[in-house]
Amino acid sequence: EAQVTQNPRYLITVTGKKLTVTCSQNMNHEYMSWYRQDPGLGLRQIYYSMNVEVTDKGDVPEGYKVSRKEKRNFPLILESPSPNQTSLYFCATWDRLNTEAFFGQGTRLTVV
Amino acid sequence: KNQVEQSPQSLIILEGKNCTLQCNYTVSPFSNLRWYKQDTGRGPVSLTIMTFSENTKSNGRYTATLDADTKQSSLHITASQLSDSASYICVVTTKEGSYIPTFGRGTSLIVHP
Repeated sequence: EAQVTQNPRYLITVTGKKLTVTCSQNMNHEYMSWYRQDPGLGLRQIYYSMNVEVTDKGDVPEGYKVSRKEKRNFPLILESPSPNQTSLYFCATWDRLNTEAFFGQGTRLTVV
Repeated sequence: KNQVEQSPQSLIILEGKNCTLQCNYTVSPFSNLRWYKQDTGRGPVSLTIMTFSENTKSNGRYTATLDADTKQSSLHITASQLSDSASYICVVTTKEGSYIPTFGRGTSLIVHP
């Protein structure tokens, strides 16, 4: 079964405590991307990757880091989380031929 | 800059009624347009895809249209059901460069009994 798996689903943390949200896909897709979703603002792209070791900034990259060491994994790293990073985060993956994006279940992050 | 604008931002209708959601885009060169349905707290799921040569496509009670000349698309929902309550997102992909899709902000639909 085609899957995009994010972990954790829910996370409450304190300001400044480094955290990582993992994303893994089993579809062998080239493209992976992270989005955050806030009320009234829709999905905004944080970072994306077109292949292993290739990453690029999206529309709202400040305060985030990513890495793509393997094709299937694309972790999102918050080195020093702040309350304005409280949001719902989605990982997505797709390939160039199909372009249908498959999304993970979402990670609801609260930074206090 | 590639943009996708959706209207209305939110919509409330009674169960059984029809509704139409709009999407205007400036993405160029155009590859395809997808409509996604996003249930609250879950990831979006693709409903339908429209390519340049397609004008209309149906998926059950959902019918999407595309006018590539005016760069407009619509999603018509017939005989709405409570389960149609969700956010509907229009996504346009270019056929050059990075193939990164451009997302609209979505239309929030609430269907009341």
